[in-house]
Amino acid sequence: DTEVTQTPKHLVMGMTNKKSLKCEQHMGHRAMYWYKQKAKKPPELMFVYSYEKLSINESVPSRFSPECPNSSLLNLHLHALQPEDSALYLCASSQEPGYSNQPQHFGDGTRLSIL
Amino acid sequence: AQSVTQPDIHITVSEGASLELRCNYSYGATPYLFWYVQSPGQGLQLLLKYFSGDTLVQGIKGFEAEFKRSQSSFNLRKPSVHWSDAAEYFCAVEGGNKLVFGAGTILRVKS
Repeated sequence: DTEVTQTPKHLVMGMTNKKSLKCEQHMGHRAMYWYKQKAKKPPELMFVYSYEKLSINESVPSRFSPECPNSSLLNLHLHALQPEDSALYLCASSQEPGYSNQPQHFGDGTRLSIL
Repeated sequence: AQSVTQPDIHITVSEGASLELRCNYSYGATPYLFWYVQSPGQGLQLLLKYFSGDTLVQGIKGFEAEFKRSQSSFNLRKPSVHWSDAAEYFCAVEGGNKLVFGAGTILRVKS
């Protein structure tokens, strides 16, 4: 059982739609992450939040907008996506930001399809 | 910048046979190394991690990995593979709060 919960599991949306992905963890972790994973590729880092503040943005297009309302919750707001944005979006968390010896715990992801 | 190379895209082993998945890393400082496994349609599960100390680390599901600084390697091993081990395996190195993954190795298990 994963301790990082992502909803929804699947999402189909048109290019003009606005939707949000949700990620929740109750392990008391203070770092949270969004990754994008295309088929047959490794995950690629998109954003890192440390203590609810955005600390890393890997030059992600503005049609992806992250939000961290509290220490347990991480959202990814989607607007005007392109077909190439279809992918598995993974959320992860780790205990303490800034310490490299903390393993990241992943959710099962949201499978996003853009029509 | 750190990087990870997994030389084998696919590996097929017979059930009950031993397994070794290769991983080579590049990182200037002391590496923090991980192996994750991903089953189809699922997220990544942490198998084991190396931070410091004993270079042979034990993980879940009977996996182990050996850190060899001289070879910049962190190979994953299992003495007897089960059909349920069929999945994709990712080696990763962390630095600067970023986790960098190798391209992954797909393991197929034949009965």
